Amino acid sequence: GDSVTQMEGPVTLSEEAFLTINCTYTATGYPSLFWYVQYPGEGLQLLLKATKADDKGSNKGFEATYRKETTSFHLEKGSVQVSDSAVYFCALAYYGGSQGNLIFGKGTKLSVKP
Amino acid sequence: ETGVTQSPTHLIKTRGQQVTLRCSSQSGHNTVSWYQQALGQGPQFIFQYYREEENGRGNFPPRFSGLQFPNYSSELNVNALELDDSALYLCASSLAGKNTGELFFGEGSRLTVL
Repeated sequence: GDSVTQMEGPVTLSEEAFLTINCTYTATGYPSLFWYVQYPGEGLQLLLKATKADDKGSNKGFEATYRKETTSFHLEKGSVQVSDSAVYFCALAYYGGSQGNLIFGKGTKLSVKP
Repeated sequence: ETGVTQSPTHLIKTRGQQVTLRCSSQSGHNTVSWYQQALGQGPQFIFQYYREEENGRGNFPPRFSGLQFPNYSSELNVNALELDDSALYLCASSLAGKNTGELFFGEGSRLTVL
């Protein structure tokens, strides 16, 4: 079945460091890919998405490119801030099916130190 | 705009009991999905409701059931609770046909089964 694998955390970085969180997927079709973020005390929220191969999603300085050849969707940010401390989830979903059926990875906790 | 609200935020039950969790969807959203997030894991899709009917279900047994009401709010019911049902239960809302994969999550209801 379809699945998402993320790098294990926690990840601890100093402010202004470069961030990469790896995400690979296994899919029977051609899904859309997402990064969701969960800040402390808040609900999950969509960070960015890409709907087809070679698309790049971006938001709040974060970027991820849908790589079909490597089945990857790695999250990157050039300079992290303390406020980026959160748990990040990679996920996939299919258009046309059950709209709410996102398949999530286990999540990667990021801590950014000042 | 009112976000997704869930109640209760925390509850403790014993094995064999039944529990009902409630969710109010974001204003204007007509679709509600429920997820189970065990500790250290990503959310897992339980089921989705649209137009008061179940519209997609994950790999959960029938003792997990739900309802959606005409105002689009929803309930998740779990019968015959087991220890492994201890988890954070997340409700997410969306608007059918719009932005597939972009779900708006509540903060969750944390269930502990003793």
